[in-house]
Amino acid sequence: NAGVMQNPRHLVRRRGQEARLRCSPMKGHSHVYWYRQLPEEGLKFMVYLQKENIIDESGMPKERFSAEFPKEGPSILRIQQVVRGDSAAYFCASSPNSGAGANVLTFGAGSRLTVL
Amino acid sequence: GENVEQHPSTLSVQEGDSAVIKCTYSDSASNYFPWYKQELGKGPQLIIDIRSNVGEKKDQRIAVTLNKTAKHFSLHITETQPEDSAVYFCAATDDSWGKLQFGAGTQVVVTP
Repeated sequence: NAGVMQNPRHLVRRRGQEARLRCSPMKGHSHVYWYRQLPEEGLKFMVYLQKENIIDESGMPKERFSAEFPKEGPSILRIQQVVRGDSAAYFCASSPNSGAGANVLTFGAGSRLTVL
Repeated sequence: GENVEQHPSTLSVQEGDSAVIKCTYSDSASNYFPWYKQELGKGPQLIIDIRSNVGEKKDQRIAVTLNKTAKHFSLHITETQPEDSAVYFCAATDDSWGKLQFGAGTQVVVTP
């Protein structure tokens, strides 16, 4: 079991460019979450997705950020027109589909975005 | 919404001593409390969790206690080792799924 796979691990973008971060959940998991970690801070919830559905995006900035989890392929977090304040580590997590373990998250290694 | 506070922000202990990290939460409906360990450059790793129907849980050198009345929970690490050095995060949720509210983290340094 390869765990939660994220790529790229490091991404450098100039202001105004687009950033795309990818996440493949653990085998057997179809619930995906994105969290953001600013330097020296804890993790902040951004969005929760199931296949082809956004369940909760209450932590996502209203502009420039979007997320998807298509029927086939990885989940993608997209940041348009990046600004320096978007520099952070973005973590993806997945959980089992249902039952008592549905809120037990397994995190990936993260994608570290640097905006120049 | 839920608010989780974590103390201390840094903790230095000598190898072999115990370490205790405390968290408080605001939402009395919260019912799941995980603890994550994050090493430098890596993602958070779940080390132990507790649900609101129990008061204590232990796994080898790690234990977590929960006081629902006072709305606080604590992580206890006994016989600390250098490999315990990391940032530890507590979290809480009242959801049946994974929208967690994290504390700000505790940097633990275990000195030989």
